[in-house]
Amino acid sequence: NAGVTQTPKFRILKIGQSMTLQCTQDMNHNYMYWYRQDPGMGLKLIYYSVGAGITDKGEVPNGYNVSRSTTEDFPLRLELAAPSQTSVYFCASSLRERVHGYTFGSGTRLTVV
Amino acid sequence: DQQVKQNSPSLSVQEGRISILNCDYTNSMFDYFLWYKKYPAEGPTFLISISSIKDKNEDGRFTVFLNKSAKHLSLHIVPSQPGDSAVYFCAASALTSGTYKYIFGTGTRLKVLA
Repeated sequence: NAGVTQTPKFRILKIGQSMTLQCTQDMNHNYMYWYRQDPGMGLKLIYYSVGAGITDKGEVPNGYNVSRSTTEDFPLRLELAAPSQTSVYFCASSLRERVHGYTFGSGTRLTVV
Repeated sequence: DQQVKQNSPSLSVQEGRISILNCDYTNSMFDYFLWYKKYPAEGPTFLISISSIKDKNEDGRFTVFLNKSAKHLSLHIVPSQPGDSAVYFCAASALTSGTYKYIFGTGTRLKVLA
């Protein structure tokens, strides 16, 4: 049982480049989330999805886009990367909205130079 | 505005003793709380939860206490083991714009000394 899989684990981007962070879960969870963690800070919610075809903004959505075409996949798109997007990105999923804890992926460490 | 605060960035405890990690919140609408543990280069893993209708929840060596009047929760680990050394995050949720979202604290790094 793979759980939540994120790729890539590490990436260095140049300012202005774009990339997609991949997230896949095999637990048939409806709820999926993208968080970022900056040094010394808590996790900030970027986007979330309550099911295929439904996405919504979290606390810090600017500079990002998401899609949810299937239950399994929830990619995060960065357009025009900026140094402020240097962070560790975590994808998570949950069966129910909040009663169960989230299952997190192992993270993507992104550096924008 | 940090709605969920973990004021102790780090904590060191001797193996076998009790570890107490604290978390304060400001939003009285929060009604469900979680604790996560995070090892380096891994994602957070769910540890224990508590609903606002309870003041205590226990799971093995881990107990979470909730004091609603003080807007404070704490995680007790007894006895502490070296494998408990990790960063611990508390998270709180409330209904916002029709969905529940979690707000995370900044984390406390626990080091259990052998």
